[in-house]
Amino acid sequence: DTGVSQNPRHKITKRGQNVTFRCDPISEHNRLYWYRQTLGQGPEFLTYFQNEAQLEKSRLLSDRFSAERPKGSFSTLEIQRTEQGDSAMYLCASSLASDIGPNEQFFGPGTRLTVL
Amino acid sequence: AQKVTQAQTEISVVEKEDVTLDCVYETRDTTYYLFWYKQPPSGELVFLIRRNSFDEQNEISGRYSWNFQKSTSSFNFTITASQVVDSAVYFCALRGSQGNLIFGKGTKLSVKP
Repeated sequence: DTGVSQNPRHKITKRGQNVTFRCDPISEHNRLYWYRQTLGQGPEFLTYFQNEAQLEKSRLLSDRFSAERPKGSFSTLEIQRTEQGDSAMYLCASSLASDIGPNEQFFGPGTRLTVL
Repeated sequence: AQKVTQAQTEISVVEKEDVTLDCVYETRDTTYYLFWYKQPPSGELVFLIRRNSFDEQNEISGRYSWNFQKSTSSFNFTITASQVVDSAVYFCALRGSQGNLIFGKGTKLSVKP
C-alpha cells in the first residue's frame, strides 16, 4: 500500500495522559500536514512540514501539542496532558510541492482519539 | 479572511436523481485554488478535483461535473444519475496562504435505492 498511513487508528486515553500518533506519508512527498476533525465539521489545519522543517503552526496548536518530522519522512504528533476537548479525528496528509502550483493533498485514514 | 461555506448540511436523494452541492468561498487573493474531497463512511478523505482561479472552464469527469464561477465566488459540484455508492460527506476547500486547506463544514449526501 503506497498511500498515507497512520497509527494507531484508534486511541482511548484518560484525561491528563500523553498520547503520540504517527503518520507515514507517501514516500516521495516532501510536504506533510496535520489536521483535526471534530464531528460534523470539516478538517482544521494544525501544522505542516516541508521536509523536516515545521513551517507553519495554527493557533489551534496549543503548547500541549508538538509535532516532529525528524528525517523528513514520517511524522509524530504528541499531545501532552490530554483534555476531553482534544477528542477528535487527527488526520495526516501529504503532497508534493512544486513550482507550478499546489498539488492535491492525499489523506490518511486518521487516528480517532477519545479522551475519557 | 479566507472562508468556505457549504450551506447545505444534508441532502437526501433517490438513486438516479441528479444532485448539486453548493460551495461559496471568500478570498482576497487573485490567484487561488479550490478543491473538492469526498469522505465516505470509512472516513478517509478522497481527492476529487483541483481548480485554479485562472481556469473558469467547467469540468466533467464521468458522472461528476464542476461549475466554477468567479463572479459569484462559487464552485458547485453536480453528480448526475446518483448512485448509492455516492453516499458520503463532500467537502469543498480553498488553499490557504500557509499552503493548508481551508475546508467548509461539508454536505452529507444520502442516496437511497
